[in-house]
Amino acid sequence: GQQVMQIPQYQHVQEGEDFTTYCNSSTTLSNIQWYKQRPGGHPVFLIQLVKSGEVKKQKRLTFQFGEAKKNSSLHITATQTTDVGTYFCWGTSGTYKYIFGTGTRLKVLA
Amino acid sequence: DAGVIQSPRHEVTEMGQEVTLRCKPISGHDYLFWYRQTMMRGLELLIYFNNNVPIDDSGMPEDRFSAKMPNASFSTLKIQPSEPRDSAVYFCASSWGQVNQPQHFGDGTRLSIL
Repeated sequence: GQQVMQIPQYQHVQEGEDFTTYCNSSTTLSNIQWYKQRPGGHPVFLIQLVKSGEVKKQKRLTFQFGEAKKNSSLHITATQTTDVGTYFCWGTSGTYKYIFGTGTRLKVLA
Repeated sequence: DAGVIQSPRHEVTEMGQEVTLRCKPISGHDYLFWYRQTMMRGLELLIYFNNNVPIDDSGMPEDRFSAKMPNASFSTLKIQPSEPRDSAVYFCASSWGQVNQPQHFGDGTRLSIL
């Protein structure tokens, strides 16, 4: 079945270091969304990518959609303690199957 | 603006009991999603509705689970009978317009089945 894997599962970084999580799908995605979930909280929408090769930035966050629309990445520059949480990608296929990625849990050490 | 409202926030019950989780989507949203989150399985889509009609329930684990949306402002997820392996956080989310629009999540219901 369709799967969306994220790597790494966990990442511990020192505050100020960069962080990247990767999302890989077994099939072509119509679009991809990124969500952040703080510990004990609920997923919160960050951004949506639709076009092949698309790159979007939000302050220290850079999101990229692969040329083949099968992978995506989220890069955080100079992490802060407020970046702590789990980052999920979420994709849809042409058959409107919704798949959340497995998530990357980020811990930022002050 | 009020977000997605779920109740109860926490539920602890004994196995075999019926459990009903409730969700009020954001007014005007025409898509409603039910998710289950566990450490082992992550976030799983259980079912989603469009204009109160169930579109895809392939994620519902088994016949013990049922979901309804009697009107645009209310949905329930029922488990009967409940089992310890149903313990999880259940999220409701809603979105507007197209099926792939950003979803707004409720705070979730933390369910513990003893």
